[in-house]
Amino acid sequence: DAGVTQSPTHLIKTRGQQVTLRCSPKSGHDTVSWYQQALGQGPQFIFQYYEEEERQRGNFPDRFSGHQFPNYSSELNVNALLLGDSALYLCASSFGTGGTEAFFGQGTRLTVV
Amino acid sequence: KQEVTQIPAALSVPEGENLVLNCSFTDSAIYNLQWFRQDPGKGLTSLLLIQSSQREQTSGRLNASLDKSSGRSTLYIAASQPGDSATYLCAVRDAGKSTFGDGTTLTVKP
Repeated sequence: DAGVTQSPTHLIKTRGQQVTLRCSPKSGHDTVSWYQQALGQGPQFIFQYYEEEERQRGNFPDRFSGHQFPNYSSELNVNALLLGDSALYLCASSFGTGGTEAFFGQGTRLTVV
Repeated sequence: KQEVTQIPAALSVPEGENLVLNCSFTDSAIYNLQWFRQDPGKGLTSLLLIQSSQREQTSGRLNASLDKSSGRSTLYIAASQPGDSATYLCAVRDAGKSTFGDGTTLTVKP
C-alpha cells in the first residue's frame, strides 16, 4: 500500500500564476481533504472532497478550488498566486465524511516568488 | 469553532529526561485526537491516534492520554533521545476535518 501520494514534492511559481497540485488517496479511501501549512504554524483546513463534490470548506478565498475524480484522486488549484500562498500543502485521505482516521501525504512545498 | 492550543511552543531538555507535551481544545464533540511528529521541511508522521471513547494509547516510549470532557490531551515521552527532536502537533477530528494546534518544537540535547 503506497499510502497517500502527492505530486510534485516541490514547486516554484511566480506571483500571479496558477498552480495545480495532485493527490492520490490511500487504497480504500474515498475522501480527500487539503490543508495549507505556513511556516511555523499548524496545518489549516482548505476543503474536503467526497463523491466528486466539495463537502466542507475552510476560510480560504475562491482562488482556491479543487476537483475529485472518479478514482478518488484529487487536485488543488490556486489561481492568481500571492507571495502569501507559499506554504506546505498537505493532502489527507479517509473513508467517508465522518471522523475516521485521516492519513496524510508528505506534502507539496510551494514557493511563490 | 474548534480551537486547539499547544503548550509550550518550544521545549529544550537534556537527553534521558521524561517530558510531557500539552494540547487543549475548545469543543469536546470530537471523533478522535491524533498526535503527529514533523521534522523540518517534511510532512506529518502519525504517532498515536486516540478514539473519543478511549482514555489513552501507548506506542513504545510514547503515551498519549485524552480527557474529552475537559478538552485536554497530553503526550508523554519517556527517556527522551536526540532523535526525538522535532515539532509535535496534535489534531482533533470532527466530522470530516482535522483542526491542528501550532505545535511544540522539542529539542533534546545530547
